[in-house]
Amino acid sequence: EDQVTQSPEALRLQEGESSSLNCSYTVSGLRGLFWYRQDPGKGPEFLFTLYSAGEEKEKERLKATLTKKESFLHITAPKPEDSATYLCAVHPISNDYKLSFGAGTTVTVRA
Amino acid sequence: DAGITQSPRHKVTETGTPVTLRCHQTENHRYMYWYRQDPGHGLRLIHYSYGVKDTDKGEVSDGYSVSRSKTEDFLLTLESATSSQTSVYFCAISDRDRAGNTIYFGEGSWLTVV
Repeated sequence: EDQVTQSPEALRLQEGESSSLNCSYTVSGLRGLFWYRQDPGKGPEFLFTLYSAGEEKEKERLKATLTKKESFLHITAPKPEDSATYLCAVHPISNDYKLSFGAGTTVTVRA
Repeated sequence: DAGITQSPRHKVTETGTPVTLRCHQTENHRYMYWYRQDPGHGLRLIHYSYGVKDTDKGEVSDGYSVSRSKTEDFLLTLESATSSQTSVYFCAISDRDRAGNTIYFGEGSWLTVV
């Protein structure tokens, strides 16, 4: 069975204090790994797709990396507007359409 | 903006009544999904559609049905609402790309069953 585990559940950072979020996964084969950002009262917003180990994607202060067992979302010099819940999802080879989501990491950045 | 509109955005209903949530997309994507999101469970797939009149069950489909008569519309029906169906419901769409299946979400429908 496909499993996605995100850690930590919550992360409190001071503005400018860089950190990383972890997404570990167990799938029979990986088509893609996705990162989303979700603000309170909103739907998840797509950030990145990673397809193979060693791949990296960047967007502003966010950088996602992928290994064969986990992905990291690095937040560099965060600002209060980076406060959100970050969701990780995997698309396994075993199905064509469905993603399996982790429970998310809630990041709070204090000014 | 992924071109997804959900309605209603908020609804309070009584136990035992039927409820229909509507999802409308303007992207002409083939695949549409209904997820629910609950604290401690994350996003869980209820039903999905891979074309007009083509639907299948997700991991938490009991008590729900869906219909898709047009590419742009995907309806989720709670035949007889229960308190355990109080949740936030997200519609999502996707189209196949390279090797993956990037899913884009709507803004959500908050349902309270009393």
